[in-house]
Amino acid sequence: DIQMTQSPSYLSASVGDRVTITCRSSQTMTTYLNWYQQRPGKAPKVLIYAASSLQSGVPSRFSGGRSGTNFTLTISSLQPEDFATYFCQQSFSYPYTFGQGTKLDI
Amino acid sequence: QVQLVQSGAEVREPGASVKLSCVASGHTFSSYAMHWLRQAPGQSLEWMGWSNAVNNVKYSQKFQGRLTITRDTSASIVYMELYSLRSEDTAMYYCARFDRYSDSFDLWGQGTVVTVSS
Repeated sequence: DIQMTQSPSYLSASVGDRVTITCRSSQTMTTYLNWYQQRPGKAPKVLIYAASSLQSGVPSRFSGGRSGTNFTLTISSLQPEDFATYFCQQSFSYPYTFGQGTKLDI
Repeated sequence: QVQLVQSGAEVREPGASVKLSCVASGHTFSSYAMHWLRQAPGQSLEWMGWSNAVNNVKYSQKFQGRLTITRDTSASIVYMELYSLRSEDTAMYYCARFDRYSDSFDLWGQGTVVTVSS
């Protein structure tokens, strides 16, 4: 199974800050990497697919990148609604696996 | 409206089974593979398996022999049945649509809480 190691587990930031979350895969998997946002009590919502493509309707302050087996999610200027938990997920091979999550808090 | 609506919360005793449903509306159900995932309290997400448009299924090795996913294409419903429940199966269960162009879960149900307790 592909292990997804996400960091940090917890991130404290302020409105207007720029933050980056990292996800490292245990195997090479090209760009089959997605990022999801989950607000408390809600289902996840896809933000970025294929490592760097912005899902329709998602604000442009969200961006994704890749360098080898390291993937990043960057939020350029935090808004109040961005305080949530973020997960990476690989869809390169079964079983599909997720990172442990990053809780972004004020 | 494009949505997935899941059945309500369930409570089961250890050893029992549970069958959840997920009704799709507003999109061409038969064009998509439908997946089930779960999330234990305070934990990350765990992929369980899928049923595709031609009724093929694939399950995570972890759930082999204990999981059945079926779909009723005419009614746009996908089901997930989990057997021999144990306390570790207590979780929120989600159905999700898989978009083959983005290779991502682009539409999710609202979730169904399953509690396994004696």
